[in-house]
Amino acid sequence: SAVISQKPSRDICQRGTSLTIQCQVDSQVTMMFWYRQQPGQSLTLIATANQGSEATYESGFVIDKFPISRPNLTFSTLTVSNMSPEDSSIYLCSVEEGTNYGYTFGSGTRLTVV
Amino acid sequence: GEDVEQSLFLSVREGDSSVINCTYTDSSSTYLYWYKQEPGAGLQLLTYIFSNMDMKQDQRLTVLLNKKDKHLSLRIADTQTGDSAIYFCAESNPGYSTLTFGKGTMLLVSP
Repeated sequence: SAVISQKPSRDICQRGTSLTIQCQVDSQVTMMFWYRQQPGQSLTLIATANQGSEATYESGFVIDKFPISRPNLTFSTLTVSNMSPEDSSIYLCSVEEGTNYGYTFGSGTRLTVV
Repeated sequence: GEDVEQSLFLSVREGDSSVINCTYTDSSSTYLYWYKQEPGAGLQLLTYIFSNMDMKQDQRLTVLLNKKDKHLSLRIADTQTGDSAIYFCAESNPGYSTLTFGKGTMLLVSP
């Protein structure tokens, strides 16, 4: 299965600032996904990122707050903009490897906004 | 809409079997998954089952699927302290290549 490197693994940020999270995959993948896991909660899909097109955002998430880049088939970034304490979560990227089973996840970015 | 429900907590003693249960509502689910999340870590795929199967066994893990009742379970035999983690049930369905997760079951294994 694909190996995903996600950076940073954790960060503590001041409110009002932005953080960009990177996700690097060791193979080419068509679709990449960004999830948020709020404290004690399950995973919620933020958006789906396909190379060469704009990301598709789920209800409750907007591009201005969570801009996503997908410059090639192995890399994506998620930016959390104008952060507030409510953005404190674990953010995870995920890939579907085209085999229709088993989605692989990065190790996550634990974000704390103070 | 899609919904996946799990019990929130399970406590067992080392060496016992653990059974984690999950129910889902989407009858068009094609694959159902179990993920493990250890403290401070990402999600690790443990196993999955295709919706036309009733059972899948993989070493200490047994997955049972009752499609009629939309019930999925994960049995861990000879549970070890290293199995302590949060276990997430997730479903996927055709035409929508993302997962819907349950809230996770925290498994605590005591010596």
